[in-house]
Amino acid sequence: DAKTTQPPSMDCAEGRAANLPCNHSTISGNEYVYWYRQIHSQGPQYIIHGLKNNETNEMASLIITEDRKSSTLILPHATLRDTAVYYCIVRPIWNTGNQFYFGTGTSLTVIP
Amino acid sequence: EPEVTQTPSHQVTQMGQEVILRCVPISNHLYFYWYRQILGQKVEFLVSFYNNEISEKSEIFDDQFSVERPDGSNFTLKIRSTKLEDSAMYFCASRTGTGHNQPQHFGDGTRLSIL
Repeated sequence: DAKTTQPPSMDCAEGRAANLPCNHSTISGNEYVYWYRQIHSQGPQYIIHGLKNNETNEMASLIITEDRKSSTLILPHATLRDTAVYYCIVRPIWNTGNQFYFGTGTSLTVIP
Repeated sequence: EPEVTQTPSHQVTQMGQEVILRCVPISNHLYFYWYRQILGQKVEFLVSFYNNEISEKSEIFDDQFSVERPDGSNFTLKIRSTKLEDSAMYFCASRTGTGHNQPQHFGDGTRLSIL
């Protein structure tokens, strides 16, 4: 699976947009980008995923660059409850079991 | 919204004992997974399960581990003879069978403490 690189930590002011970058320069054509988050010791929570087009849902927006070598997760109005570790994962669709390989992610702290 | 449920939330077991962790995946999901997370470390893949058999397993998933879907709703992880290093959070996940790009949905885990 393609390797991803994320900053280890970020801060964001409450109410402001949180922009979390992810580098996946070795991504191949059949690999999707997934974002999950983990709040304290809870299970990873799915946020959003995409292949090459930008995606938006009720939680966040995913912006993927045209060359697909990087992406940004945007939380439009961060709240204190968005404080969590955010994981960017790249996974090929031909992976037999379709399992995820988690990295160390970005620890986002939303500041009041 | 449907969710993956795991029981118990915390299991304390003596080293060498067998333990069974239970999961109820989301109804109508067809792919099932176990992951673990040792305190302070990454979430690690253990095993994937589809059509009543293991699809993939990691190096961690050795002969001490087994999985089973005993009925139409439960998915279990058994550790035959627990070791101290098995202490971790164990997460179950499931996903729908339609489309290989569909995301997995995780439960809130079972904290396994080996004494």
